[in-house]
Parts: sequence; structure tokens; C-alpha cells
Amino acid sequence: SAVISQKPSRDICQRGTSLTIQCQVDSQVTMMFWYRQQPGQSLTLIATANQGSEATYESGFVIDKFPISRPNLTFSTLTVSNMSPEDSSIYLCSVAWGRETQYFGPGTRLLVL
Amino acid sequence: AQKVTQAQTEISVVEKEDVTLDCVYETRDTTYYLFWYKQPPSGELVFLIRRNSFDEQNEISGRYSWNFQKSTSSFNFTITASQVVDSAVYFCALSLGIGTASKLTFGTGTRLQVTL
Repeated sequence: SAVISQKPSRDICQRGTSLTIQCQVDSQVTMMFWYRQQPGQSLTLIATANQGSEATYESGFVIDKFPISRPNLTFSTLTVSNMSPEDSSIYLCSVAWGRETQYFGPGTRLLVL
Repeated sequence: AQKVTQAQTEISVVEKEDVTLDCVYETRDTTYYLFWYKQPPSGELVFLIRRNSFDEQNEISGRYSWNFQKSTSSFNFTITASQVVDSAVYFCALSLGIGTASKLTFGTGTRLQVTL
């Protein structure tokens, strides 16, 4: 499987600010995904980010709030904009390795005050 | 729409006991994948196993075994002789289609606590 890293690993932010999370993979992958895990909850897909096309957002998530970039086959960013305490979550990126299985990065723990 | 149900919110066992984590899924699609992931206290999500909808063979990997039954839409996970290091939240997940990765729909997870 691929080695996936995320930056930052954790952050504490003030409401109204924005944070950009980076996801780096050591191999080229076509499909990358961004998930959110709210405290004590399960994971929910935010969007699918394929290189060379616009990200596809799930119901309840919009580009203005969660803009995503996918400049190449090894890197993606997710920005959490105009944050509120409700955005406090773990944000995880995943990549599809071998086409069918998603492997996850270590996650970014975000606390919004 | 697809759905994954993990009815067991939390399970506590004593080390060396066997434990089974239940997973029931719903989908109208005939082609899909089922997954189990482990999330230890450190937070990362670790892939454990994938099965496709055409393969109902049970699988054993060391102390882990999985029982996939399409007739009951279940994909249960058993840990034999549990260890403290097995303590984690375990998620069952479903994705549709075969041959390509797609959105994972997760269950709510089962927290397993293994004590000495």
C-alpha cells in the first residue's frame, strides 16, 4: 500500500479563520478522498478529488466551505473555511490503492474555539 | 441508498476471550465491496480486510476471521484469543461497484475494550 502523510497532524484555530490540510502520497494515485469524523462519530465522505477534474462533493458539503485542490497525482489539499466550533473534527484523506481499497492518512485533528 | 449497521456500540472482554463484532448492510446493488477498518486510540484508520459481493468464502488471518453471508446481509468479524492491543474502534464499511474505488459508507463503529 501507499504511504500517506497529512499536515498538520493537529491544530487549534479561532472561529472565522481558515485552515488548509495537506495530503501527500508516496506513489501516484488517481483517486483521493476526504472524510470528516466528528467527535465520537463515524466517518463521512466530504468529496472525491481526482486529478485533472473538479472535486465531487457529497450532499451537505459545498465547495465554498471545503475547497479542494488536486494539482498532481501525489498531492491534495482540503481547506476548512470560515471555521466554527462545529467544524471540530478529525479530517482524513484516503487514496484508492489497487483500485478497490482505500487506505487512509493519519488524520488531522482540528479544534475550533 | 446504502446503509451499514453496527448494533454493538461498545464491547468489553477480558484478554484471551473470543469476541465477534456484528455488521449488517443494506444495498440494492448486486456488486459491492465490504470492508473492516480498525481505529486505535492514536486515530489512524487501518485497513483489515475487503470482500466483494461475489465471494462468500470465510477468511481467517491469524487471530482474525470474517464470516460473510449474503443471505443475511452480514459481514461479521471475530477476534480469537483477544489481546489488549486489539482495543480500538472497529468500523465496517460498504462501497458500491466492482473494479474501482468509490465512496465508503461506514457503520457507526464498535468500540472494543480488552482488559487484563
